Amino acid sequence: GAGVSQSPSNKVTEKGKDVELRCDPISGHTALYWYRQSLGQGLEFLIYFQGNSAPDKSGLPSDRFSAERTGGSVSTLTIQRTQQEDSAVYLCASSSLRGVNTEAFFGQGTRLTVV
Amino acid sequence: SQKIEQNSEALNIQEGKTATLTCNYTNYSPAYLQWYRQDPGRGPVFLLLIRENEKEKRKERLKVTFDTTLKQSLFHITASQPADSATYLCALGQNSGYALNFGKGTSLLVTP
Repeated sequence: GAGVSQSPSNKVTEKGKDVELRCDPISGHTALYWYRQSLGQGLEFLIYFQGNSAPDKSGLPSDRFSAERTGGSVSTLTIQRTQQEDSAVYLCASSSLRGVNTEAFFGQGTRLTVV
Repeated sequence: SQKIEQNSEALNIQEGKTATLTCNYTNYSPAYLQWYRQDPGRGPVFLLLIRENEKEKRKERLKVTFDTTLKQSLFHITASQPADSATYLCALGQNSGYALNFGKGTSLLVTP
């Protein structure tokens, strides 16, 4: 596809369960970001992958959160032992970061509800 | 710590007027600043980028200014239309080793 694709679009899970959220970035984009957006709030940075560099994990809120990016393309954000405060929209974005092209292209997000 | 501030109160203006949104930052030396638009239930969409050595950028009805002394960017929408109603986010970036950091956004409502 032409844009950033996230799946699932909606996820309802029981407290204590693990969830995996997937992001397919735009082909050729070296940078990939995960953000979290709670209702009516701004974007909270979670993790950033750039090429082969070590990811910037400084935004992950706890050790229950982890993310991988395989082959420099698809990324998976995993939340273990989900809590109700994890309920939010999880947004993924990618960027080419070549020359002046620093704009981030966002997916539609995954709305996670922990009940 | 680094801080990006946008007016949390919604901005209500009449159609045809100019909307001006503010983004202030502290403890930050960005290489560039971006503005995004976000509609309910959608991801943000890129609008404009301005670099630290640029004072002003325009694109159609949009104008962005960047004052690195005041640590402030102003985002203007001229001849506003109801379709411009959305939340507008500013984002600060450095070099490719760092993630974009976003403000919380300001909601704009343009009424006919």
